[in-house]
This record gives sequence, structure tokens and C-alpha cells, in this order.
Amino acid sequence: ETGVTQTPRHLVMGMTNKKSLKCEQHLGHNAMYWYKQSAKKPLELMFVYNFKEQTENNSVPSRFSPECPNSSHLFLHLHTLQPEDSALYLCASSQESGQPYSYEQYFGPGTRLTVT
Amino acid sequence: QKEVEQNSGPLSVPEGAIASLNCTYSDRGSQSFFWYRQYSGKSPELIMFIYSNGDKEDGRFTAQLNKASQYVSLLIRDSQPSDSATYLCAVSMNYGGSQGNLIFGKGTKLSVKP
Repeated sequence: ETGVTQTPRHLVMGMTNKKSLKCEQHLGHNAMYWYKQSAKKPLELMFVYNFKEQTENNSVPSRFSPECPNSSHLFLHLHTLQPEDSALYLCASSQESGQPYSYEQYFGPGTRLTVT
Repeated sequence: QKEVEQNSGPLSVPEGAIASLNCTYSDRGSQSFFWYRQYSGKSPELIMFIYSNGDKEDGRFTAQLNKASQYVSLLIRDSQPSDSATYLCAVSMNYGGSQGNLIFGKGTKLSVKP
């Protein structure tokens, strides 16, 4: 079983709702990520946090707002979403350092989001 | 635009055969290359990574990297029906402080027939 957990696993929300996705990693990693996976599209990186600091915002609309209170927890706050935002939202974590090579990322089970 | 290209498949092979999955990438500065397996309805799981040109073997899996051709492949020997999944190729561009960020391909769906 993965060391990265996500809640809820399924979420249905209206366009005017506000909800939050939660991710927790138990692997002692320093970096955490949010990805969006839509049908027929590659995994899209949304946000990256290294040591609680946001280091990447991949041109994500402001209706998605990340929060990383510590290296083990990551949230994605959602408000006024659109139907095209319906997708699988995946959290991942990895080690991070000044080394030139990437460390492998471990994914959580994902939250299946449906916007009605 | 940095891209990772994969044939979407489906790639169908008989049980016991070798499955060959291919991936090309656009950025010559790419440093790290990963293969993830994703079963239907599940999250991706890492199965192989490779940093240097050549082959890397792990059990029934062999990753091959050719940086000059910007090409990375995954061979699965003695394919089993349980290998049926979508295989995602991912490449790390490693620029500035964004180490660890991955660019994914759309994935190749593999079907192993008993």
C-alpha cells in the first residue's frame, strides 16, 4: 500500500461550492506535488512544494489554491470550479535535494472529482 | 513546449512474449527518465528509472536509454496478463530550482493475452 494517502477518494461538487482535497505522506519526503489527470491527456503537473515552499505553479487557474502547512501535508482548496475541472487529482511526494538528478515520485490513490 | 511522446496503443502481445514500449522526448537537456505503470482506476506506480545511456535491468523489466536519439524504451520479458496496464513515460527536465518535476507522456496501453 502506498505511503501517500488522499482524502476524499471521490468528490462531487457544484460550481459554486468550496471544497478541499487533502494529501498526507508518511515517507519522510521533502517535496510534494499536485497533478491533474484527465481522460486522453498526459498527467499535468499543477503545483510543487519543496520544504513547504511553493516552487512551481504551472499556470493553474486561481480557482485552485494549494496549501502546504508542513512537509507531510498538502491541501488543494477548490472554489467556483468548472465542469472541465472534473478529473482525477493525484498527490505525489519525493525526496528533494541539490543533486542534479530527480528522485522518484510516489503517488497517492487520487481523488476523483466531478463538477456538476 | 517540452513534450514526451508515446504511442497510445493498445499494444497487444501474447502471454510469454516480449512487450516493447517506446518513448521519445523533445528536450535534450533531460536528465532523468522514469517508467510508471497505471492499472485502470489506480494511481501510477514507479517500476523503473534510468539516468545513463544504455540498459538497466530489473527482473523482467529492462529500460533502455539513448540520449543522442532522445529515446527511452521499456522491455517486458515473459509478459503476463497481470502486466496489462497503461505504461507512462516521464522525463525530468531539471532546470533551475524545479528539480524533481516530471513531464509525462499520455501513456501506452498494454494488453497481454493469455
